Formats: sequence, structure tokens, C-alpha cells
Amino acid sequence: DIVMTQTPLSLSVTPGQPASISCKSSQSLLYSDGKTYLYWYLQKPGQSPQLLIYEVSNRFSGVPDRFSGSGSGTDFTLNISRVEAEDFGVYYCMQTIYMWTFGQGTRVEIK
Amino acid sequence: QMTQSGGGLVPPGGSLRLSCVGSGFTFGRYWMTWVRQAPGKGLEWVANIKEDATDKFYLDSVKGRFTISRDNAEKTVFLQMNSLRVEDTAMYYCVSGSSVWGQGTLVTVSS
Repeated sequence: DIVMTQTPLSLSVTPGQPASISCKSSQSLLYSDGKTYLYWYLQKPGQSPQLLIYEVSNRFSGVPDRFSGSGSGTDFTLNISRVEAEDFGVYYCMQTIYMWTFGQGTRVEIK
Repeated sequence: QMTQSGGGLVPPGGSLRLSCVGSGFTFGRYWMTWVRQAPGKGLEWVANIKEDATDKFYLDSVKGRFTISRDNAEKTVFLQMNSLRVEDTAMYYCVSGSSVWGQGTLVTVSS
């Protein structure tokens, strides 16, 4: 099984400041088709998760450009250039190269 | 969007069937997945099914107890859950591809 490890598990951020979350996989997420199947989601309290980033660095429709994803192989990062009030919640990375597995989640709170 | 139904309170050893209807997209073109979230916990993949239902995959702990199926003509994916255990208690989400999530349905297994 592929294990996804996120750091930090919690983050306290002042609105307007940047934030960064790391996600490491136990195996490479690069598939034979040349794509890397790493996704980022945000789950707000009482809501379903919402897709932010797919295949490492592609913003999903409607996602603000303050969100960006980077990385390759087994090491990935989600960056938020300036955190806004609507960005608070729990962020998950996920891989789909072999079944699906999620990271533990990173709770982003207002400082 | 994905609209879920089913769920509820069931005693250990009981059965439930979850349903999820897709709308606004070409249902038959996407893998369908069930993900669950135990109270206060992170996201856990449960099962998924290929576009034409020729491949199905399951979390080890639900193999032999849960069955995923789909009806592309009715744009519906199902999760039949038998021999339910207390540890199956969770919010269950259906997902189309990786981007469209249902609203969630709560399954509580308790005597």
C-alpha cells in the first residue's frame, strides 16, 4: 500500500500570510502514462471535500490562483500565497496511482 | 453533481444500501468511488468501479462484505454493505472521477 504523509498536521496562519503544506508518498506517483497522480483537497467543517489541485500542479475549475501545487516523484507541496478567511479547514493530499490513499490531513486555522 | 441517499442506523451484522445519482455530466465516462470518514477522523477510500464495471477494487477491511455496482443508464452508483461492524460507522461519500463529491450520508452501526 502507498502511505501518504503530510506535514505539518496543523498550521496557524494570519490572514494575508503565506502557507505551505508538504506531502510525501512511500512510492513514486509517476505512472507509465507520464502523469503523476497527486491531488489536493480542502474540507471545510460540515462540508464534502473540494478538489483544489489535480495531477500535482493543475488548479481545478474555479480555484483561485493563490493556490499552487508543485513536486514530483514522492515529494509534493501545496502553497497558498496569501491565506484568506475562506481557506481555513483541513487539507488532504491523495494519490490514485494504486487504489486511493489520503494523507492524515493538515488543519489550517486562523492565528 | 452527485446526490446521495440511503444510510441510517443499523445494528452490528446488519445491512444497508447506499445510492448516488449523478447529474450534469456524462456519468458513464468516469470511475466511481466511495470514500468514508469516521467521526472526527480523516478520509478513507472504500471502493471504486471502472466506467464499464469490468474492474472493481475494495479496501481490505470491507472485502467480502461490501459490493460496489453501477447502472450507467440510471446514472447511479451503489454500495451494498453487509455484515456491518461498529467500525464501519462513518460519513460515506460518493465521488465521480476525482472531482465531483456527493453531500455525504451517515452510516451508524450500533446496538
